[in-house]
Amino acid sequence: QAHVVESGGGVVQPGRSLRLSCAASGFTFGNYAMHWVRQAPGKGLEWVAVISYDGDNRYYADSVKGRFTISRDNSKKMLYLQMNSLTMEDTAVYHCASGEEWLFRGDVYWGQGTLVTVSS
Amino acid sequence: AIQLTQSPSSLSASVGDRVTITCRASQGISRALAWYQQKPGKGPNFLIYDASTLESGVPSRFSGSGSGTDFTLTISSLQPEDFATYYCQQFKSYPLTFGGGTKVEIK
Repeated sequence: QAHVVESGGGVVQPGRSLRLSCAASGFTFGNYAMHWVRQAPGKGLEWVAVISYDGDNRYYADSVKGRFTISRDNSKKMLYLQMNSLTMEDTAVYHCASGEEWLFRGDVYWGQGTLVTVSS
Repeated sequence: AIQLTQSPSSLSASVGDRVTITCRASQGISRALAWYQQKPGKGPNFLIYDASTLESGVPSRFSGSGSGTDFTLTISSLQPEDFATYYCQQFKSYPLTFGGGTKVEIK
């Protein structure tokens, strides 16, 4: 069945970098916009970034703009999030999700997430 | 960025109760607001878009209203499967933003 699986999380020191990956299967990955959404421990949803189905359009939350880069490889059915200059405020579970460019509507495949902990 | 403030952050209610959750935007967003339900360990379930349009398959006990800066989600008669966390989300402009969430718990 269709699903997405995130990987690449871990413990990292402030100021360092990390690259998250999201592997999609069971659906036509190239037809969907893809998002990263994070959830800090005990907190609500925070939208991070979106990339259009073809990779031409990318948008970011103000809190990560200039530090994070979203990308995709449709031939490999992979989504990525390059995270630079990490701060403690970036500590969260990061989920990738399919959807429309503006809404999580229709065939939304939401992963279990990968935990990023930024700590010295 | 447009900020969304949800209230209350949590509430306790009984099966059959009428529940209302509010979402206030920091600037006018017309009717570009959606509501989601999320249960533990799951992705958000899309309920309402354009402030008041019920997504196909969503029970009619859910309804939304509002425009501009003030919005509400109402559950007319709370059912056991409705105990969850609810989020509003604006799609007027990027960056997309969610409200802080409202956890609906069993009284």
